[in-house]
Order: sequence, then structure tokens, then C-alpha cells
Amino acid sequence: SQQGEEDPQALSIQEGENATMNCSYKTSINNLQWYRQNSGRGLVHLILIRSNEREKHSGRLRVTLDTSKKSSSLLITASRAADTASYFCATDSNTDKLIFGTGTRLQVFP
Amino acid sequence: DTAVSQTPKYLVTQMGNDKSIKCEQNLGHDTMYWYKQDSKKFLKIMFSYNNKELIINETVPNRFSPKSPDKAHLNLHINSLELGDSAVYFCASSRSGTSTDTQYFGPGTRLTVL
Repeated sequence: SQQGEEDPQALSIQEGENATMNCSYKTSINNLQWYRQNSGRGLVHLILIRSNEREKHSGRLRVTLDTSKKSSSLLITASRAADTASYFCATDSNTDKLIFGTGTRLQVFP
Repeated sequence: DTAVSQTPKYLVTQMGNDKSIKCEQNLGHDTMYWYKQDSKKFLKIMFSYNNKELIINETVPNRFSPKSPDKAHLNLHINSLELGDSAVYFCASSRSGTSTDTQYFGPGTRLTVL
């Protein structure tokens, strides 16, 4: 399966703490995207990182990519209760089809 | 204004019935998708259309038939519904269908087959 896997499956933290989620995938990629899904809602795009990039920032989000290890991490700094959601990585496996990972459920307690 | 909309939001039906889910996007995108999310939150692509033409057709039972009357609409018809079809179905769209495009998702249709 080309499916990515997120780690951990679930994460609970207090507001203000940082949250780190990891994604591992199996095949070579052109780019990797991270999406967020609030409970009962559709996915929302967060950030895209290309295979020739190692790190990217967007507001409180920091994404890293290590193509040699076929892994990526998403760091949310100074988390807020509103960050509570599931987070998915998605890879393209050198096609135009996105393969989504299994997701990390993040719970941020106020 | 809702960018990607789906109807209905909830669908409860008996095994063996035929049902349709409708999707519309007002973003002017060329590509639309159907995804299935199971109870474990695993999201898998089913189909994609680019400008009314079928591009991606994953290994999906032929009871599932997508139809794109125009590039702003992609409907999903399901024949002879089975218990295993119970899931949340998401429609999405992107500008041109390349892997660097952002995909915009609808709110989902929760299908329950009894």
C-alpha cells in the first residue's frame, strides 16, 4: 500500500504547548501536503512542501521533509483549543493522485 | 458562499436501494473528486474528473457510477447499496488536477446503510 502513516495516532496536550505529528510514506514523491479535518467537516489544506524543500513555515505551522527517510513532520507551536482536529498528510507518489495517511487526532485542552 | 457543496448531508437507506449524492463547486476549478472515508477515518480516492472527463478510477465496485454533467458538478450514483458502503463520502475540487494543487473539500455526506 502507498498509504502514509501518521504517528502518533492520537495526541493530547494543553493549550500553549507545541504539538508534533509525524508522517511516513513508502514511495518517492514530488510533494507532500498536510490537511486538517475538524470533527464532522471536510478537510482543509494547510501547507504543501515540495520534494526539494526541507522546511516550510506558515504562521504557527512548521513542516519538515526528509526524503531520504521518507518522512515529514508537522509542528504546531503555541497550540490553541481551536487546533483540536485530525491532521492528515497526503503524498502524490509521483502521480496526480493524493494518497492520504491514517491521520493524527489532536486534542488541545484549554 | 460555499465553495464545494454536497447534498444530502446525511443519507440513511436500506440495503439494496439505489441512491445519489450531488456535488457542486463554484470555484471555477477544472477537476473534481470523490473520496470515501471509513469509520477509521481512512480517506481513499474513488474517482476524479477533469473538465467532465474521467481521469482517476480506483478499484471501486461498478455499483458506483460518477457522472459529471459539467465541470462544476460531479454526482455519485450508487446501485444496490451494501452494508459496507456505509461511510462518509467527500467531494473535492482542485484548479487543474495536478498534485501541487490545493484540494478543496465539501462538508461530506454521511451514508448509513441498514
